[in-house]
Amino acid sequence: DIQMTQSPSSLSASVGDRITITCRASQSISSYLTWYQFKPGKAPKLLMYAALSLQTGVPSRFSGSESGTNFTLTISNLQPEDFATYYCQQSYRTPLTFGGGTKVEI
Amino acid sequence: QVQLVESGGGVVQPGGSLRLSCAASGFTFNNYVMHWVRQAPGKGLEWVTFIRSDGSKSDYADSVKGRFTISRDNSNNTLYLQMNSLRLEDTAIYYCAKDRRAEHYFDHWGPGTLVTVSS
Repeated sequence: DIQMTQSPSSLSASVGDRITITCRASQSISSYLTWYQFKPGKAPKLLMYAALSLQTGVPSRFSGSESGTNFTLTISNLQPEDFATYYCQQSYRTPLTFGGGTKVEI
Repeated sequence: QVQLVESGGGVVQPGGSLRLSCAASGFTFNNYVMHWVRQAPGKGLEWVTFIRSDGSKSDYADSVKGRFTISRDNSNNTLYLQMNSLRLEDTAIYYCAKDRRAEHYFDHWGPGTLVTVSS
């Protein structure tokens, strides 16, 4: 199975900050990397797919990058609604696997 | 707009069975691959299974293979997960998720239904 190592597991930030979350795959997954946002009691939300593509309706302060098996999600100008837990997921092959999550707190 | 609503969760004893349903609306259900994903309390996400749009193929995580069965009723826009021989470690919120374009990532999720396996 492809292991996805996500870091950090949590971070504290303030409104207006720029934060970066990293996900590393245990083997090559090309660009088959997706990012989601989870908030308690709400349906999870797709943020980015194919490592770099922003899902329709997601603010442009979210961006992604890739370098080999390392992927990052960057949120610029952090807004109050961005405090949530973020997960990466590889869709290169089944079993589909997720990173351990990053909780972004104030 | 796309809506996915899971139902059927509850408390069941180890070794018991449960069937989850996911009612889909707002899109052409029979055109899309569908998945189940779960999250145990305080844990991360685990993909459980997927089924092709026409139901012709499915795949499972090793942790549920042989115990869980995914199916769909395209005439009623409903996805199912039959869970047998339930174990304590199957306790989780179960999410139904729509595949964006048969590329095995999810553009819409339901709010989830809680399954608790407890004696």
